[in-house]
Amino acid sequence: DTGVSQDPRHKITKRGQNVTFRCDPISEHNRLYWYRQTLGQGPEFLTYFQNEAQLEKSRLLSDRFSAERPKGSFSTLEIQRTEQGDSAMYLCAVPVLYNEQFFGPGTRLTVL
Amino acid sequence: DQQVKQNSPSLSVQEGRISILNCDYTNSMFDYFLWYKKYPAEGPTFLISISSIKDKNEDGRFTVFLNKSAKHLSLHIVPSQPGDSAVYFCAATSTNAGKSTFGDGTTLTVKP
Repeated sequence: DTGVSQDPRHKITKRGQNVTFRCDPISEHNRLYWYRQTLGQGPEFLTYFQNEAQLEKSRLLSDRFSAERPKGSFSTLEIQRTEQGDSAMYLCAVPVLYNEQFFGPGTRLTVL
Repeated sequence: DQQVKQNSPSLSVQEGRISILNCDYTNSMFDYFLWYKKYPAEGPTFLISISSIKDKNEDGRFTVFLNKSAKHLSLHIVPSQPGDSAVYFCAATSTNAGKSTFGDGTTLTVKP
């Protein structure tokens, strides 16, 4: 069975604060992906993990962003010193079938 | 440079008629193409896909057509139903790349 939970579902923060999001697949998946979606755009790839190893990072992932997957199961995405431009939906996904991905419900971040 | 483009931000059709959503891509390395459907406050849900070795894939009311020479794909929904109203994203990937590149979506409205 495939499923992904994300926590929190919504986060409102002030500019300059740090935030952390969590992604929990309900079953084991070797790979785990993070995407970001802003209003009027499609999801944009941020990074992905193969087990614990972070194998690719997008240019979108500035040095204020860090992601981890310590035990190859859940993953966290942290944003330090948030900026208003970080406001977006952050999506976590796991692979299913061939190249298809199962997405979680996302965390909507609003930076005031 | 946007590698996957959906040039129609919105489409409105009458219930029972055909919906045709279009997508163009520029990267010749893409060899697998997907359509996702997204409702508000949810993550994208996989709908249908097609490998570059095929030119058509059908699943119930949904058919995806691929024209490799034109770097164009389309999603046909027949007959359209009000429950099909959602944002549809076209996505493309290279085999074993894992990550997908998404278009900006087309909002489909099916009127009863």
